[in-house]
Amino acid sequence: SQQGEEDPQALSIQEGENATMNCSYKTSINNLQWYRQNSGRGLVHLILIRSNEREKHSGRLRVTLDTSKKSSSLLITASRAADTASYFCGQETSGSRLTFGEGTQLTVNP
Amino acid sequence: NAGVMQNPRHLVRRRGQEARLRCSPMKGHSHVYWYRQLPEEGLKFMVYLQKENIIDESGMPKERFSAEFPKEGPSILRIQQVVRGDSAAYFCASSVVRANTGELFFGEGSRLTVL
Repeated sequence: SQQGEEDPQALSIQEGENATMNCSYKTSINNLQWYRQNSGRGLVHLILIRSNEREKHSGRLRVTLDTSKKSSSLLITASRAADTASYFCGQETSGSRLTFGEGTQLTVNP
Repeated sequence: NAGVMQNPRHLVRRRGQEARLRCSPMKGHSHVYWYRQLPEEGLKFMVYLQKENIIDESGMPKERFSAEFPKEGPSILRIQQVVRGDSAAYFCASSVVRANTGELFFGEGSRLTVL
């Protein structure tokens, strides 16, 4: 079974609004990574947050990690139509591989 | 520095044929991962390889599927006697270090259609 889950499954917002996606996981991790996938393309790495970090920023992206709740969130501020994509969180499993949930499909309407 | 290269991008096979998918990792990367993605679903881990070694194949089906990463040349994911359920996008990723310590770089995928 998958290590974690993203929610919501789908999110539709207007350009300029913020988008928040959540990720839960089941076992302890060394780090958690967020990726983006445009339709028909490969995944692109966005941010890696380590287990001893609580928050990380990269441009319009903000990632938080709460190890006590085994959850992470990805916030995209001032969204753009070009942010429309699927977003996945990846968690280490068994020390050798990254496993992904089903993803959140974000649609940003112009 | 070229990214992860996968070929073919699209492959059509009839039931019972063999499919070979190739992946050239980024230069300097010695860790390769294969994932499978069905439409509207997430990526399912299949296998993790280093040069000449299979490190973790816990996601590989027991039959018909095999993977290798030879000392020279690309990594190969081989599916024998394909069935319709094998139709999916197969993604390869590579990294400098193990996935739990660094980011993965993904190819654009190989889309297999089994008729």
